[in-house]
Amino acid sequence: NAGVTQTPKFQVLKTGQSMTLQCAQDMNHEYMSWYRQDPGMGLRLIHYSVGAGITDQGEVPNGYNVSRSTTEDFPLRLLSAAPSQTSVYFCASSLTPAGETQYFGPGTRLLVL
Amino acid sequence: GDSVTQMEGPVTLSEEAFLTINCTYTATGYPSLFWYVQYPGEGLQLLLKATKADDKGSNKGFEATYRKETTSFHLEKGSVQVSDSAVYFCALRGSGGSNYKLTFGKGTLLTVNP
Repeated sequence: NAGVTQTPKFQVLKTGQSMTLQCAQDMNHEYMSWYRQDPGMGLRLIHYSVGAGITDQGEVPNGYNVSRSTTEDFPLRLLSAAPSQTSVYFCASSLTPAGETQYFGPGTRLLVL
Repeated sequence: GDSVTQMEGPVTLSEEAFLTINCTYTATGYPSLFWYVQYPGEGLQLLLKATKADDKGSNKGFEATYRKETTSFHLEKGSVQVSDSAVYFCALRGSGGSNYKLTFGKGTLLTVNP
């Protein structure tokens, strides 16, 4: 198993540009989520999904969209990037929504100029 | 709402020293508690967990005991190694209903010198 994979590893955007961060898992996990990690802030939940076709907002959803058309994939879209979205983004998954162990991807480092 | 407070870093220790990283939480009911570790340039990995009061989680020489009376889940290791240098996150998941999300502390950077 590859586990949780994320692409790209690093991206530079200009303010106003859009992009999609990709996340995939091959463990048939129901639950997937996106976090952002900022210095001194820990990890904050952006959006999550409890299964294909079902998504919901987390703690800091503004400026981000998600969809879950398949069990495997959970892309995160930035519609109009802002410097405040400069961060490291982590995707995570677990077998069930209440699964105790979440598996994290390696992260995407995003810089918005 | 739920919250996690962990000791501010950075923490710098010499190899074979004793480690404690404090973690306290605020939550209703009976949350599950976790410690995650993030090595440089990598994502987070589950280090250990405890799901009910008085449970002790352990892994790789690290231990933490779920203390409901003091709402704490302190991480300890008797003898740290250089390879333990990483950022450590305390986290909780609330109990009941549709409360699936993990609430993280801000992280503690540990550096172990030879």
